[in-house]
Formats: sequence, C-alpha cells, structure tokens
Amino acid sequence: NAGVTQTPKFRVLKTGQSMTLLCAQDMNHEYMYWYRQDPGMGLRLIHYSVGEGTTAKGEVPDGYNVSRLKKQNFLLGLESAAPSQTSVYFCASSYYVGTAYNEQFFGPGTRLTVL
Amino acid sequence: GQQLNQSPQSMFIQEGEDVSMNCTSSSIFNTWLWYKQDPGEGPVLLIALYKAGELTSNGRLTAQFGITRKDSFLNISASIPSDVGIYFCAGRGGSQGNLIFGKGTKLSVKP
Repeated sequence: NAGVTQTPKFRVLKTGQSMTLLCAQDMNHEYMYWYRQDPGMGLRLIHYSVGEGTTAKGEVPDGYNVSRLKKQNFLLGLESAAPSQTSVYFCASSYYVGTAYNEQFFGPGTRLTVL
Repeated sequence: GQQLNQSPQSMFIQEGEDVSMNCTSSSIFNTWLWYKQDPGEGPVLLIALYKAGELTSNGRLTAQFGITRKDSFLNISASIPSDVGIYFCAGRGGSQGNLIFGKGTKLSVKP
C-alpha cells in the first residue's frame, strides 16, 4: 500500500495563477481532508469530504475549492493564488467516523510558494 | 469554537532524559490522537486514545486520556536523537467529528 500520496511535492506560483493539488489514497477510506500548515499555527482544516461526490468547508476555506469525483482522489484547487496561500499543504484520509474512530493518515505534503 | 492548548511549545533535552508534554481543551473530547512530524514529512500517528482514563503505550511512548476528557498527556522515556521532531496532539470535536490539532511541541535532543 502506498497510503496517502500527494502531487506535486513543491510548486512556485505567481500571484493570480491557478493550480490543482492532487491527493490519492489506496486504503479505501471514506473521509478525506485538506490541511494547511503554517509556522506556529499547527494544522488547519481547509475542506473535507465524507464520501465520493461530497465536500464541506473546514476552518479556513476561503480561496480554495475542492472536488471528490472518485473515492480515492481528493483535489484542492487555487483559482487565483495569493501570497497568503504560501504554506505546506497536507492531505489526509480516515475510516468512517460513525464508530467514533477517526485516525487520520497523512500524505507527505506539498510545499507551495506564491510570489 | 473549540480550542486546544499544547505545551510546552518547545523542549531542549539531553539524550536519555524523559519527556512530558500535554494538551488541554476547552471542551470534552471523545478521541485523543498523538502524531509526530519529522522535518519535511507529514504527521505520523503514534498513539490513539478512545476512553477516558485510558493509558496506552507504543514502545518508549506512553499517552493517557485524561479523566475529565479535556486533556491528554504524552510521555517519552529515555529519549534518543531520532525522537527529534514536532509532536502534535489532536482531539475529535465538532458536529462532523473533525479533528482539532494543537500547535505542536518541538522536541530537540542533545546527544
């Protein structure tokens, strides 16, 4: 099992450019998440998905869009990048939360710089 | 909203020493998780706790789910250089059961 994979690993954008980050998991998890990590801020939830075709906003959703067309993939889009979106982005996935078990497994991260 | 306070923010210890860190929340949690993040990597799950009072070990790591359900503790015994990293606590909160993360404890170990 590859677990959770993310592409690309690094990216530099100019202000106003757009891009899509791809997350893939091979654990058949229902739930998938996108976080951003900034120095001293810990992990903050951007968007999440409880299943194929569904998405929801997290703590810091502004400026981002997501799509979950396939159960194993979760895409994070930046339509018009801003310097404030310079961060490290992590994708995670987890089992169905109904049993109260919510162990999230993380990908290796994407380091994004917006100039 | 729910908040997690993790302390200390950073620790500088000598190899062989024991380490303790903790997290407290403003509300009751049903799940506590402890993660470690190495530089340039994603967080890796160390220990998961699901019941108040639960004490769970993973090698030299021991974590406890506080009786009040508002706190959790992580102890590392006999630290070694590879323990270096950032340790995050996370608690399950919110109507959707999303995790809330602490801001991390950065551990440095001096050989």
